[in-house]
Amino acid sequence: QSVLTQPPSVSGAPGQTVTISCTGSGSNIGAGYDVHWYQQLPGTAPKLLIYGNSNRPSGVPDRFSGSKSGTSASLAITGLQAEDEADYYCQSYDSSLRGSVFGGGTKLTVL
Amino acid sequence: QITLKESGPTLVKPTQTLTLTCTFSGFSLTSSGVGVAWIRQPPGKALEWLALIYWNDDKRYSPSLKSRLTITKDTSKNQVVLTMTNMDPVDTATYYCAHRTITAAGHYFDYWGQGTLVTVSS
Repeated sequence: QSVLTQPPSVSGAPGQTVTISCTGSGSNIGAGYDVHWYQQLPGTAPKLLIYGNSNRPSGVPDRFSGSKSGTSASLAITGLQAEDEADYYCQSYDSSLRGSVFGGGTKLTVL
Repeated sequence: QITLKESGPTLVKPTQTLTLTCTFSGFSLTSSGVGVAWIRQPPGKALEWLALIYWNDDKRYSPSLKSRLTITKDTSKNQVVLTMTNMDPVDTATYYCAHRTITAAGHYFDYWGQGTLVTVSS
């Protein structure tokens, strides 16, 4: 059972927008710690997608955006493409556990 | 260019100790703020952070696995080693090492190794 809660799956048609939520608590996201997002394509290692709640590393399309409010964060993907089909994980820091924590992951299916 | 690569046994028996090595290039583990972490992923399941070692040799462990884990570094070889004792079939997973960055935007893993699948079975 992951410390950060994500929906197990989301889906959308090409061109549509999907949002993935990440819910934490007062010892992690709610304590002000930043949220980061990773994309894991099938059979590959995770790749940093969003850091510091809303920043994109070089090379990540601006179709991907992140936000944070209170004890939750969200990843939005606009203009869905078939290549976006992957698992997405949120990550933050937890002061009670004194370490990094991940969400349970969300599988995005592009219909 | 930062790269990391995990190495170690692909199969271990229950109760044995697992030793994994992360060999990296493109950064120094003596530079302030730098860290290397181990993260694992059981087949079909979520990522789980295991351990982190900092440039100053400070170490952090997942509370649930702390008693079984040891993380060390060899800066001369650009390597980080993770040992996990008393392996069990539930420890079957792909084990990743990752470069941990600290910026004003938080602590995150910006470079990952390809991962190594470790199966625990008799």
